[in-house]
Amino acid sequence: NAGVMQNPRHLVRRRGQEARLRCSPMKGHSHVYWYRQLPEEGLKFMVYLQKENIIDESGMPKERFSAEFPKEGPSILRIQQVVRGDSAAYFCASSRQVQETQYFGPGTRLLVL
Amino acid sequence: DAKTTQPTSMDCAEGRAANLPCNHSTISGNEYVYWYRQIHSQGPQYIIHGLKNNETNEMASLIITEDRKSSTLILPHATLRDTAVYYCIVRDYNYGQNFVFGPGTRLSVLP
Repeated sequence: NAGVMQNPRHLVRRRGQEARLRCSPMKGHSHVYWYRQLPEEGLKFMVYLQKENIIDESGMPKERFSAEFPKEGPSILRIQQVVRGDSAAYFCASSRQVQETQYFGPGTRLLVL
Repeated sequence: DAKTTQPTSMDCAEGRAANLPCNHSTISGNEYVYWYRQIHSQGPQYIIHGLKNNETNEMASLIITEDRKSSTLILPHATLRDTAVYYCIVRDYNYGQNFVFGPGTRLSVLP
């Protein structure tokens, strides 16, 4: 049973470009969570989605960031007009039910030049 | 903010048991104790979780005090590959959605 998959694993963008990060949850999991880890810091929750719905986006910056989890295909975290402060590791997790254990992917490391 | 407190760092000799403590004095009845670890910036890896009773799996044991205000994660025979940051997290079963990660404990397993 494949785990949570994320791609790309590394992404380099110049300031002002867009970054798209993809997350495929574990098979049978319909709940997806995105976390961000800034250098030398802990993980911070960003957004929680269930198929086609955003349930909690309390941790997501109000501007430039958006997330979706369509009926078909992976969840996508989109960052528009990236700035250097967006450089971080972005982790996706999934669970079968909201109360259950979350399993994390390997992360996408975004570097903004 | 995280509801747990953990030592910043610990050392353990290879082959010995690693005992990682966690205080969660404000834990409520519906909150589980979860342990994850993060090895060198990889994605967090689930280890174990429990509510009241002690738990054991192939990776570790979790000992929860009777008053539930603290717990200990035990790695019975630590190896060099167990060097990681270990996170203790409390999470409400009914309402919890995201995990709140604190700074964790940096465990160094020494040869």
